[in-house]
Amino acid sequence: DGGITQSPKYLFRKEGQNVTLSCEQNLNHDAMYWYRQDPGQGLRLIYYSQIVNDFQKGDIAEGYSVSREKKESFPLTVTSAQKNPTAFYLCASSIRWQGQETQYFGPGTRLLVL
Amino acid sequence: GNSVTQMEGPVTLSEEAFLTINCTYTATGYPSLFWYVQYPGEGLQLLLKATKADDKGSNKGFEATYRKETTSFHLEKGSVQVSDSAVYFCALSGVKGTYKYIFGTGTRLKVLA
Repeated sequence: DGGITQSPKYLFRKEGQNVTLSCEQNLNHDAMYWYRQDPGQGLRLIYYSQIVNDFQKGDIAEGYSVSREKKESFPLTVTSAQKNPTAFYLCASSIRWQGQETQYFGPGTRLLVL
Repeated sequence: GNSVTQMEGPVTLSEEAFLTINCTYTATGYPSLFWYVQYPGEGLQLLLKATKADDKGSNKGFEATYRKETTSFHLEKGSVQVSDSAVYFCALSGVKGTYKYIFGTGTRLKVLA
């Protein structure tokens, strides 16, 4: 089955620790995205990548880092510089056709601080 | 600037009631419009989309029509079920030649048996 997988489903971070969230897609999509969702709120864009080995900051990139070494993978690292990391993190990938884009989402990772 | 505005929730309905969730947008050019649904603890699922004025997107009994004259994309369903209880997000993309999405804040729907 084609789709987007995120792991783990739940992740716990200790003070001062960096943690990495995994996002993998087998849809052959070029673009991938990371969003943060806080309770009762919409989605905020952290980083996005339109092609392998290239990525851009979104609206709330501070305290996060990404890499895009393979088309199918776009891991997100939450660094110790992110002082309020508790949130639900969503990865998405997109297909573009005739100038239009449609994003598809993974199941999400919930990050909690110990 | 570009934005999406959704009606405040929660929206509480009885089973088999008619549903409308309002969505209006501000954007330059001709964006694509989307509705996504999020069930508790899950990611967003694409519900329907429309890419040009007067297009109607439909899926699973839900419909929305791209109204350029009123800059709206209201979500409707004729008869809701308890299983439709979720958060619904309106979104747009394709503004100013970029593919970035702009999401509304979401509207929670509760359907009572």
